[in-house]
Amino acid sequence: AQTVTQSQPEMSVQEAETVTLSCTYDTSESDYYLFWYKQPPSRQMILVIRQEAYKQQNATENRFSVNFQKAAKSFSLKISDSQLGDAAMYFCAYRSLNRDDKIIFGKGTRLHILP
Amino acid sequence: DTAVSQTPKYLVTQMGNDKSIKCEQNLGHDTMYWYKQDSKKFLKIMFSYNNKELIINETVPNRFSPKSPDKAHLNLHINSLELGDSAVYFCASSQSFRASAEAFFGQGTRLTVV
Repeated sequence: AQTVTQSQPEMSVQEAETVTLSCTYDTSESDYYLFWYKQPPSRQMILVIRQEAYKQQNATENRFSVNFQKAAKSFSLKISDSQLGDAAMYFCAYRSLNRDDKIIFGKGTRLHILP
Repeated sequence: DTAVSQTPKYLVTQMGNDKSIKCEQNLGHDTMYWYKQDSKKFLKIMFSYNNKELIINETVPNRFSPKSPDKAHLNLHINSLELGDSAVYFCASSQSFRASAEAFFGQGTRLTVV
């Protein structure tokens, strides 16, 4: 069974600085999707970025980028120029492309932005 | 125009009661899910449906019964509520098999059992 591990329960970063959130996963599949979701205090789950496993190029979305290391099964999220609005829980997620097509989440990292 | 909407947003009820949470998506997706988020923020899948067919049932007590009248709706009925059922329940939808991989979430229903 697939698992997703986020080893940092909480992190803090100074406003305007860069922070990297870690995620590792375990799977025997060769094709899958990986995601980072953000959950602010409003509770809404917001997609930050996604990565297809068959693509070697790391995904980027404005200030958000990932470092996808398929062999190491690592998928870290880098947030550049951190803003107060980035404060939230961040969840790493894995989606299988098999018939039992579920999305599995890590336990989350709470990110604090220090003014 | 909300993509995935679930009602109610908050639900407070007594132990032993039966309650339902409704979910609707207008994205044309063929897969819908229920997730439970506990007090430690851990998101655990409960059920998934693809085109009204149950695909995943993750060791959830049979007091929880999902119902999908059509592929745009997935409701969750809970019988004989217990204190441990208190959590936030999220409905989500996605398109299967590569077309659009990410899940879109509703705003969550905070269930409090007293």
